[in-house]
Amino acid sequence: DAKTTQPNSMESNEEEPVHLPCNHSTISGTDYIHWYRQLPSQGPEYVIHGLTSNVNNRMASLAIAEDRKSSTLILHRATLRDAAVYYCILRDVAYNFNKFYFGSGTKLNVKP
Amino acid sequence: ETGVTQSPTHLIKTRGQQVTLRCSSQSGHNTVSWYQQALGQGPQFIFQYYREEENGRGNFPPRFSGLQFPNYSSELNVNALELDDSALYLCASSLVGGGPGETQYFGPGTRLLVL
Repeated sequence: DAKTTQPNSMESNEEEPVHLPCNHSTISGTDYIHWYRQLPSQGPEYVIHGLTSNVNNRMASLAIAEDRKSSTLILHRATLRDAAVYYCILRDVAYNFNKFYFGSGTKLNVKP
Repeated sequence: ETGVTQSPTHLIKTRGQQVTLRCSSQSGHNTVSWYQQALGQGPQFIFQYYREEENGRGNFPPRFSGLQFPNYSSELNVNALELDDSALYLCASSLVGGGPGETQYFGPGTRLLVL
């Protein structure tokens, strides 16, 4: 399975945008890019996913590089409730498409 | 629509004992996956069950086993507990065939401490 690389931690001010990067240089053509986050004392929750095109939903935006070797999760206005560990995950839908390999993630701290 | 639930929330066992953790999938989901999350690390895939059969396994020894029932609830069993088994155990349900937008829905986890 292709691996992802994320910074260990990032810090943001409340109500400012946050850009969380992820490198996945060995991504295959059938790998979807998923982002999950884990708030303290909770299980991970889905944030967003995409294949090639940029994606937007009510929680965030996902910007995918043209060569797909990196992506960026964008939180448009960080709130204190966005403080969590964010995981970038590659999911191959060609087989075992329910199996996720989590890395160490990025711990996001949001300052008031 | 009910979410994924897990029981118990916390558990303390001693080395060598056996433990059973339980998971109730989200309504309508037919696939369940189990993950182990050590403190400060990301979740590690243990195995997945689909239609009551194991459908993929991570790098975990055979003393980690599971069951999926006709109502899609699931159990994770760990025999001969070791100190390193202390972790948060997460259950996630999903719908096979739901398409590429399919996501996994995680429960709150069971915190296991092995003494």
